[in-house]
Amino acid sequence: EDKVVQSPLSLVVHEGDTVTLNCSYEVTNFRSLLWYKQEKKAPTFLFMLTSSGIEKKSGRLSSILDKKELSSILNITATQTGDSAIYLCANALHYGGSQGNLIFGKGTKLSVKP
Amino acid sequence: DVKVTQSSRYLVKRTGEKVFLECVQDMDHENMFWYRQDPGLGLRLIYFSYDVKMKEKGDIPEGYSVSREKKERFSLILESASTNQTSMYLCASTGGSGGYTFGSGTRLTVV
Repeated sequence: EDKVVQSPLSLVVHEGDTVTLNCSYEVTNFRSLLWYKQEKKAPTFLFMLTSSGIEKKSGRLSSILDKKELSSILNITATQTGDSAIYLCANALHYGGSQGNLIFGKGTKLSVKP
Repeated sequence: DVKVTQSSRYLVKRTGEKVFLECVQDMDHENMFWYRQDPGLGLRLIYFSYDVKMKEKGDIPEGYSVSREKKERFSLILESASTNQTSMYLCASTGGSGGYTFGSGTRLTVV
C-alpha cells in the first residue's frame, strides 16, 4: 500500500529557531515529491522534487529529496510567526503518462511562538 | 496564475439532501481532483478525472459521485448527505510539470 509519513506531527518553536520537517514514503511508480504549506485555507505549493540530492530553495525555506532513503526534508531557517502552518508532504504517482494523483502525509503542524 | 475556483466557501445542508460542489479551473488542465480534509486524517482523494467524461475512484469514493461534462468543470455530488460527510472539501487541478493548484476549499456541514 502506498503511503507517506510525516514527522513530527506537531512542533512548537520560538522565532529565530531553525526547524527540519521530515517526510518518508513508500510508493510504487514514484514521480515526484511535493511540499505544501497550509494556513487557514487551501494548501499552497512550495516545492516539487524529482531528482535526488538537488536542493530547492525559496528564501528561508529549502528542501531536498533522498531517493535512496525514500525521504525528504523541509528546512525553515530563522522562523517567523508567519511560518505557523500545517506543512504537507505528498507523492505524485505516475499513471500511464499522465500526471497521477497525490498521496498526502497527515502533515506537520508548526507553531512559531514570538 | 492558474485559478481553481470552488463555488461555495461555506455550506450547511440537511441529512439526506443532494449536494453539489462545483470546481472550475481556467488553465485548460486535463487533470482535476476532489479531496476531503479531516483533522488527524490529512487529505484523502475522493475522485479524480483525466479528461472530459472520464472519472476514476480515489481512496474514499463511497457516498460520492462526480461529473465532468466540460474540461474546466469538475463537480462533486453527495447523493444523500450524511453527517459523516461534514468536512473540508478541496478541488485541485494540474496539467503541467508544476505543482498542483488547489481551490480555496468548501467547508461543508451536514446537520
